[in-house]
Amino acid sequence: KAGVTQTPRYLIKTRGQQVTLSCSPISGHRSVSWYQQTPGQGLQFLFEYFSETQRNKGNFPGRFSGRQFSNSRSEMNVSTLELGDSALYLCASSSVSGTDTQYFGPGTRLTVL
Amino acid sequence: SQQGEEDPQALSIQEGENATMNCSYKTSINNLQWYRQNSGRGLVHLILIRSNEREKHSGRLRVTLDTSKKSSSLLITASRAADTASYFCATNSGAGSYQLTFGKGTKLSVIP
Repeated sequence: KAGVTQTPRYLIKTRGQQVTLSCSPISGHRSVSWYQQTPGQGLQFLFEYFSETQRNKGNFPGRFSGRQFSNSRSEMNVSTLELGDSALYLCASSSVSGTDTQYFGPGTRLTVL
Repeated sequence: SQQGEEDPQALSIQEGENATMNCSYKTSINNLQWYRQNSGRGLVHLILIRSNEREKHSGRLRVTLDTSKKSSSLLITASRAADTASYFCATNSGAGSYQLTFGKGTKLSVIP
């Protein structure tokens, strides 16, 4: 099976802009989670989607949002970008009938100037 | 918020030696997972251990879990230069969510 894919891999934006990141989970996986990784805060949970419903949300401002489509693909959106949003954004998928293992994609490196 | 704390933060060893990394966490868990990350790339899943398990093996990896002490350890035997990476423990509390709470990681350097 193909792994988790994320697009784009690299992105440069300026403050105030908005950005949309995409994640395609492993075929058959219905749960998709998003994480932000920064040198200062480490890996932090953003949100989790399961069957198009947000199941859980981390402690991030409302500028961070996401959605999941019927084919389990997920997008996350960050509006009004700030310099501190520069990070590696990682997506993970899991099979509900599997072993609870989270499989991660390669990430999207977002740089906000 | 960070639940886990890895110890040590950095570890440098010679090729062929064993590497041990420890992880502590704060709340009750459903399972604990270890991941490897090379230079800011994606996370590679290494091993998952459930709260009712005490030890698991996978190739050169051995993971232990002590729920009474809320701690876990990852042992990599006969290390190789290719094992150079950052290693993270992550806990899942269950409750109908796959959310993982990560520690800050241990940076392992294996010197050829």
